[in-house]
Amino acid sequence: SQKIEQNSEALNIQEGKTATLTCNYTNYSPAYLQWYRQDPGRGPVFLLLIRENEKEKRKERLKVTFDTTLKQSLFHITASQPADSATYLCALAEDNFNKFYFGSGTKLNVKP
Amino acid sequence: EAGVVQSPRYKIIEKKQPVAFWCNPISGHNTLYWYLQNLGQGPELLIRYENEEAVDDSQLPKDRFSAERLKGVDSTLKIQPAELGDSAVYLCASSSRDSQETQYFGPGTRLLVL
Repeated sequence: SQKIEQNSEALNIQEGKTATLTCNYTNYSPAYLQWYRQDPGRGPVFLLLIRENEKEKRKERLKVTFDTTLKQSLFHITASQPADSATYLCALAEDNFNKFYFGSGTKLNVKP
Repeated sequence: EAGVVQSPRYKIIEKKQPVAFWCNPISGHNTLYWYLQNLGQGPELLIRYENEEAVDDSQLPKDRFSAERLKGVDSTLKIQPAELGDSAVYLCASSSRDSQETQYFGPGTRLLVL
């Protein structure tokens, strides 16, 4: 069966450290993988997209890697801040964005 | 630029009652999505519109759920009759033809069925 797995346990880290979140998938052939941020009571906000032929993408303090052999994406936030505390969702897109599949998200807590 | 607007933000109804959610996408966005999000889970696609055409409604429980996007702009999602298990957040998202990979989500409607 198809699965997108994100760590259901919250990730607690100290301010200034690098947060690393994991997204693993099975039985998908994603053309793209995306990361979203979701705050309580709000809709997800798009952060980064990485294509299947890209290994790494960066945007400011964010970095995403995509390993289609391991079927895994890693999402890094460097120099984390308490304002980065939120739930982070990964999403796979197949068929030229015709279908999106979301993981259940990982809650990140950055402590001052 | 205004974001995706949804109303109501919260709705409490008794089971077997009907309920409707409204979504106004970002101006100019031709693609509109309705998602359902249960607590602690990611969004699950219910239906996707390209302009006024529903191009993917395979996950919409058609016995009780219906949706429309008559003029290719606003959309309404309806549940009739609602069941206890329908309690969730209903999210609307939109994307433009030129940037289909970026979905912009509304704040969602939180539904509680008693």
